[in-house]
Amino acid sequence: AQKVTQAQTEISVVEKEDVTLDCVYETRDTTYYLFWYKQPPSGELVFLIRRNSFDEQNEISGRYSWNFQKSTSSFNFTITASQVVDSAVYFCALSEAPSGGSNYKLTFGKGTLLTVNP
Amino acid sequence: ETGVTQTPRHLVMGMTNKKSLKCEQHLGHNAMYWYKQSAKKPLELMFVYNFKEQTENNSVPSRFSPECPNSSHLFLHLHTLQPEDSALYLCASSQSTGGMVGYGYTFGSGTRLTVV
Repeated sequence: AQKVTQAQTEISVVEKEDVTLDCVYETRDTTYYLFWYKQPPSGELVFLIRRNSFDEQNEISGRYSWNFQKSTSSFNFTITASQVVDSAVYFCALSEAPSGGSNYKLTFGKGTLLTVNP
Repeated sequence: ETGVTQTPRHLVMGMTNKKSLKCEQHLGHNAMYWYKQSAKKPLELMFVYNFKEQTENNSVPSRFSPECPNSSHLFLHLHTLQPEDSALYLCASSQSTGGMVGYGYTFGSGTRLTVV
């Protein structure tokens, strides 16, 4: 069974600080996908990134960066120079490749509430 | 505009009421999902529909009744709910076949349900 653990329930930082959100996953599959979603107070989950299990290159997108390490089953997310607008709940998710015609199913972590104070 | 539209955004209902949540996606996806998000709990998958057919019911009580008339629309019919059913109900869609498989879900903004 797949599982996603986000050990940090809440993080509070001051604007312009860097912050890293941790994500550890468990899966028996060799083919899988990892995601990060952002949930602002308005409620919708906003897709941030997708990474497949064969691509261990780290990625940077503006102030966001992701560190994927298969050896430790981790997919951590770093926000550089955080801003108040980054305040949200962030979810890490895992999807294994489906079999037998079944759907991809996302398994979410419990989320990390990030509060960026001015 | 996320491509997945949920209505209403907020709903307050009594335990004896019957109401429905609506979800519509304009992305050409063939799979749709209902998730429940309660305070302090992880997102819970409720139902999965693939090409209008229900492929998963995650042990959801019968007071929640989904309906998927076509690949673009998904409903969640509610009746005789309990206060503990108060939560954010999120709809999502995805592509379950072809080259876009594995690209994750697109979520709606959710319906904030309060049962009184």
